[in-house]
Amino acid sequence: GDSVTQMEGPVTLSEEAFLTINCTYTATGYPSLFWYVQYPGEGLQLLLKATKADDKGSNKGFEATYRKETTSFHLEKGSVQVSDSAVYFCALSEAGTALIFGKGTTLSVSS
Amino acid sequence: EAQVTQNPRYLITVTGKKLTVTCSQNMNHEYMSWYRQDPGLGLRQIYYSMNVEVTDKGDVPEGYKVSRKEKRNFPLILESPSPNQTSLYFCASSQQGAPGGYTFGSGTRLTVV
Repeated sequence: GDSVTQMEGPVTLSEEAFLTINCTYTATGYPSLFWYVQYPGEGLQLLLKATKADDKGSNKGFEATYRKETTSFHLEKGSVQVSDSAVYFCALSEAGTALIFGKGTTLSVSS
Repeated sequence: EAQVTQNPRYLITVTGKKLTVTCSQNMNHEYMSWYRQDPGLGLRQIYYSMNVEVTDKGDVPEGYKVSRKEKRNFPLILESPSPNQTSLYFCASSQQGAPGGYTFGSGTRLTVV
């Protein structure tokens, strides 16, 4: 079945460092891909999405490109801030309703 | 404000005592879904609903029930809770299904002792 694999955390960075969180997926068709963010004590918020190959999703300085050839959707940010500390989830949807999540990557940014 | 509202936020209960977690959305979304979040397992779908009176099982439906009598409400029912249902639960809704992205509630932390 479909699945999502994320790099395990925690990821610990200093402020203004470059961030990459790796995400690869397995799907039988052509899924939509998402990154969600969960701040402490809160629900999940959609950070960005891409619906077809080579699409780039971007939001709040974060970017991810849908790479069909490598089945990847890595999350990047050029300069992280303390306020970016959160848990990040990669997810896919192929069936139109079910979101399949990775296990999440905890990011901790220190000043 | 567009939102998904879950209640309660925190709940401690005893094994076997029936409980209901409510979920309501004010965006007129057709799709609604329940997830549970467990350490090391990420989020797993329990049940989802594509519209009023239309519900279906997700990946981990055992021990749960749902109903969708109105478009805005999608309660999660645990008829006989057990300790392995101790978890963080999220309700979510979407207009287009997952390709449009879900809006999530703030979560319900359930402890079954």
